[in-house]
Amino acid sequence: SAVISQKPSRDICQRGTSLTIQCQVDSQVTMMFWYRQQPGQSLTLIATANQGSEATYESGFVIDKFPISRPNLTFSTLTVSNMSPEDSSIYLCSIRTGFMETEAFFGQGTRLTVV
Amino acid sequence: AQSVTQLGSHVSVSEGALVLLRCNYSSSVPPYLFWYVQYPNQGLQLLLKYTTGATLVKGINGFEAEFKKSETSFHLTKPSAHMSDAAEYFCAVTLFSGGYNKLIFGAGTRLAVHP
Repeated sequence: SAVISQKPSRDICQRGTSLTIQCQVDSQVTMMFWYRQQPGQSLTLIATANQGSEATYESGFVIDKFPISRPNLTFSTLTVSNMSPEDSSIYLCSIRTGFMETEAFFGQGTRLTVV
Repeated sequence: AQSVTQLGSHVSVSEGALVLLRCNYSSSVPPYLFWYVQYPNQGLQLLLKYTTGATLVKGINGFEAEFKKSETSFHLTKPSAHMSDAAEYFCAVTLFSGGYNKLIFGAGTRLAVHP
């Protein structure tokens, strides 16, 4: 299986600032996804990062708040913009090796605390 | 629309006892079903999955799950709990949308194992 590295692993940020999270995969993958896991809750899909085109956002998430880049098949970034304490969550990068592939792999996550 | 319900947000068992984590799904099409485990401060790891074929699926660490279409269930079991099984467990179902599969997660069940 692919190795997924997320940076940073955790951060404490001031409200009103932005944080960019990086996701690096050791092989080329077709599908990359970003999830949010709020404290004590399950995972919610934020968006699908599409290589060479704009990300596809789920209901309740917008590009201005969560801009995503996918410059190539091994790398993606998620920015959490203009942060508030409600953005304190774990953010996870996930990959799938093919469009119809069933198995998804996850990075270790970025634990974000906004103060 | 696809959805997942996990019964019991917290389950506590004694070491050596049977582990049973419940998952029911709703899907308008034959589902793909998954169980993931999340250890503290880590990402998600796939325990097992059902796509097609045999309805009793065996996974890692001695876990198994049975797909029961008539009951729309995919409960996770392990005959004998170990202290190292203490973690958060997520059931997930695929949602086919926009030309590819997305994962929809249940709320999670936190398993505690006591001596």
